[in-house]
Amino acid sequence: SQTIHQWPATLVQPVGSPLSLECTVEGTSNPNLYWYRQAAGRGLQLLFYSVGIGQISSEVPQNLSASRPQDRQFILSSKKLLLSDSGFYLCAWAGTDYNEQFFGPGTRLTVL
Amino acid sequence: AQSVTQPDIHITVSEGASLELRCNYSYGATPYLFWYVQSPGQGLQLLLKYFSGDTLVQGIKGFEAEFKRSQSSFNLRKPSVHWSDAAEYFCAVNNGNQFYFGTGTSLTVIP
Repeated sequence: SQTIHQWPATLVQPVGSPLSLECTVEGTSNPNLYWYRQAAGRGLQLLFYSVGIGQISSEVPQNLSASRPQDRQFILSSKKLLLSDSGFYLCAWAGTDYNEQFFGPGTRLTVL
Repeated sequence: AQSVTQPDIHITVSEGASLELRCNYSYGATPYLFWYVQSPGQGLQLLLKYFSGDTLVQGIKGFEAEFKRSQSSFNLRKPSVHWSDAAEYFCAVNNGNQFYFGTGTSLTVIP
């Protein structure tokens, strides 16, 4: 069966520090991968999605970036965090038929 | 552009009462529609989905949803709510390789 992992589960970082969140998927090949951010009391904002290794589409211009160095690995990064980057970050994957998205457990990021 | 609207930000129901969460979508073709549930601090779990065929779909945890093309709606229902149903509920539509989510409805269940 397929599983999706995210780490860390929680993270507290100072403003201006770098960020690296990792997402890995097991049990499937060539998944479509997604990063979402969920601010307190708000819906899901799509940040990036990837249909293959090295292929990244950005939905919202900001100080975040994403990379997909391996088929089942998706990384969210920032060189300098802002206070507004605080939130709950969710990784998700979908198969090539796009008939469902499967979500990871999320990472709670607090920028102080 | 595709969009999903959940007009109710927060709903409170008594345990045992019926529930209906509203969802309206804007999409040019017949969409793929989804309802997800999110418990606090957790990821999203799929409740049910609609692709085609019977417009009344059954999901997990006793939930069902009805697709009404004429109203561009996909409302979620449950005949008798349990305290464990308290959570955030998201409606979503799929457009090719992207999924669009509503802003969510927070459900509180009172004893």
